[in-house]
Amino acid sequence: GENVEQHPSTLSVQEGDSAVIKCTYSDSASNYFPWYKQELGKGPQLIIDIRSNVGEKKDQRIAVTLNKTAKHFSLHITETQPEDSAVYFCAADSGGYQKVTFGTGTKLQVIP
Amino acid sequence: DAGVIQSPRHEVTEMGQEVTLRCKPISGHNSLFWYRQTMMRGLELLIYFNNNVPIDDSGMPEDRFSAKMPNASFSTLKIQPSEPRDSAVYFCASTLYERNGYTFGSGTRLTVV
Repeated sequence: GENVEQHPSTLSVQEGDSAVIKCTYSDSASNYFPWYKQELGKGPQLIIDIRSNVGEKKDQRIAVTLNKTAKHFSLHITETQPEDSAVYFCAADSGGYQKVTFGTGTKLQVIP
Repeated sequence: DAGVIQSPRHEVTEMGQEVTLRCKPISGHNSLFWYRQTMMRGLELLIYFNNNVPIDDSGMPEDRFSAKMPNASFSTLKIQPSEPRDSAVYFCASTLYERNGYTFGSGTRLTVV
């Protein structure tokens, strides 16, 4: 089955700096790669996703890149703000029926 | 749309008791997932349904766990008997085929004492 590794597990950045979270996956058949943000006491929320026919996707301060050859994808957050502080999860589809495998999460702390 | 609705938000129960967690997915979504989240194991997929049919329950830890989806608007996850190691946050998520991503509920924090 699919295996998704995520790094780093924790990340602290100064407000205004950029943050990068990296993930690798094992199944070359995976085609869909969503990212979720989980705030304290809440369920994960989809913030951006990318499909295998695209190498990069942006949405305001958030961007994702995908390298299918190397089987890795990354989340980039620019001009970080305190409200970006949360746990971020990457995921890759696996097994059909919209099933995805999640990474282990990155706790991002943005220091004002 | 009210989103995915889970109840209760918090549950404290004694070891050996039966626990039932409930989920109402977003109307029109045809896939439903039950996850368990702990610090040690992260997000674990327990079971998922497609069009109310269980597709894969290989993540259900033991026979003490069971899940049902009697119709498109309701699902339950039952633990009987409960044990302290079942303490975790349980999430329900739903999605529509076409890979639009999951919508998660707010979760049920279960504490078994």
